[in-house]
Amino acid sequence: GDSVTQMEGPVTLSEEAFLTINCTYTATGYPSLFWYVQYPGEGLQLLLKATKADDKGSNKGFEATYRKETTSFHLEKGSVQVSDSAVYFCALRAGGGADGLTFGKGTHLIIQP
Amino acid sequence: KAGVTQTPRYLIKTRGQQVTLSCSPISGHRSVSWYQQTPGQGLQFLFEYFSETQRNKGNFPGRFSGRQFSNSRSEMNVSTLELGDSALYLCASSPDRAGANVLTFGAGSRLTVL
Repeated sequence: GDSVTQMEGPVTLSEEAFLTINCTYTATGYPSLFWYVQYPGEGLQLLLKATKADDKGSNKGFEATYRKETTSFHLEKGSVQVSDSAVYFCALRAGGGADGLTFGKGTHLIIQP
Repeated sequence: KAGVTQTPRYLIKTRGQQVTLSCSPISGHRSVSWYQQTPGQGLQFLFEYFSETQRNKGNFPGRFSGRQFSNSRSEMNVSTLELGDSALYLCASSPDRAGANVLTFGAGSRLTVL
């Protein structure tokens, strides 16, 4: 079946550091890919998405490019802030979307001042 | 515009009891999906409701059920609670079928089973 693999962390960085969170997937067909963020005590918020190969999603300084050849959707940010501390989830939705979103385990990101 | 509202936010039950969780979607959204989040299994899809009908269901036992009302509000029920049902239950809504839209999540209902 479909699956998403991402580093679980915690990943600890200093403020203004460069961020990469790796995400790879296994899916049949052409899934849509998503990054969601969860702040403490809150639900999930959509961070960015890409629906076809080579699409780049971006939001709030975060970017991710849909790479079909490497089945990857790595999340990057050039300069992180303390407020970026959260848990980040990579997810996919298979072509038909019949089984809902398939999520990775989540990556806990900690940004130190 | 109000977001997705889940009630209650926190609840404690004992094994064998049942629980009902409620979700009010964003006004105008017709699809409601439910997910279970646990430290061990992560986020797992429970089911999706659209136009008062269950459209899709994840790999959960029959103890997990739900329904959707004509105003699109949804409830999920877990009967004969087990310790392993302790989790954060997240509801998400979308304007149309979930497979075609981005989901907006609520803050969740945290269930503890003792």
